[in-house]
Amino acid sequence: KNQVEQSPQSLIILEGKNCTLQCNYTVSPFSNLRWYKQDTGRGPVSLTIMTFSENTKSNGRYTATLDADTKQSSLHITASQLSDSASYICVVSCEGSQGNLIFGKGTKLSVKP
Amino acid sequence: DADVTQTPRNRITKTGKRIMLECSQTKGHDRMYWYRQDPGLGLRLIYYSFDVKDINKGEISDGYSVSRQAQAKFSLSLESAIPNQTALYFCATSDPRSSPTDTQYFGPGTRLTVL
Repeated sequence: KNQVEQSPQSLIILEGKNCTLQCNYTVSPFSNLRWYKQDTGRGPVSLTIMTFSENTKSNGRYTATLDADTKQSSLHITASQLSDSASYICVVSCEGSQGNLIFGKGTKLSVKP
Repeated sequence: DADVTQTPRNRITKTGKRIMLECSQTKGHDRMYWYRQDPGLGLRLIYYSFDVKDINKGEISDGYSVSRQAQAKFSLSLESAIPNQTALYFCATSDPRSSPTDTQYFGPGTRLTVL
């Protein structure tokens, strides 16, 4: 069964600190992996997307990595800010599965002053 | 994303009532989607449409119907609402012509409560 598992479920860090969120998937055949940020009460917004051949991609203070062999991805946030408080959702797309994205349950990050 | 709007933003209704959630987009995208999000669960696909004449069931289509009135409009209907349809509903759009990876852009969501 295609699944996306994220850890931890929730995380609290102090402003200015770094953190890493994890995503493991069993989706096959793999097409691409995306990380979305969802602020409370808002729709998800795409942060990064990686295909099979890419193993790292950055978007400002966000850096995503992908290990297609172990089917793992991570999202590293550097020098966290209060505005980083949100849920971060890992989403995997199946090749040839038009319209079908597999969503993780998300990691809820709280950045405290 | 302000290019994708949803109405209403919040709705409280009673069991058995018919309700329609509307989605409009100004991005010019052909593909539109409806998802629901429940606490502790990932987003789940209800229906999707790749153009005006195309409607496809998603993972959890039972109890829902959709209408693609135009390229820019995609409505979700609950013919007879039940309490377990209480959730946050998101509309999304995408266009593989503008994004090879077919990135989806989400609306702000509609919070639906069925009493």
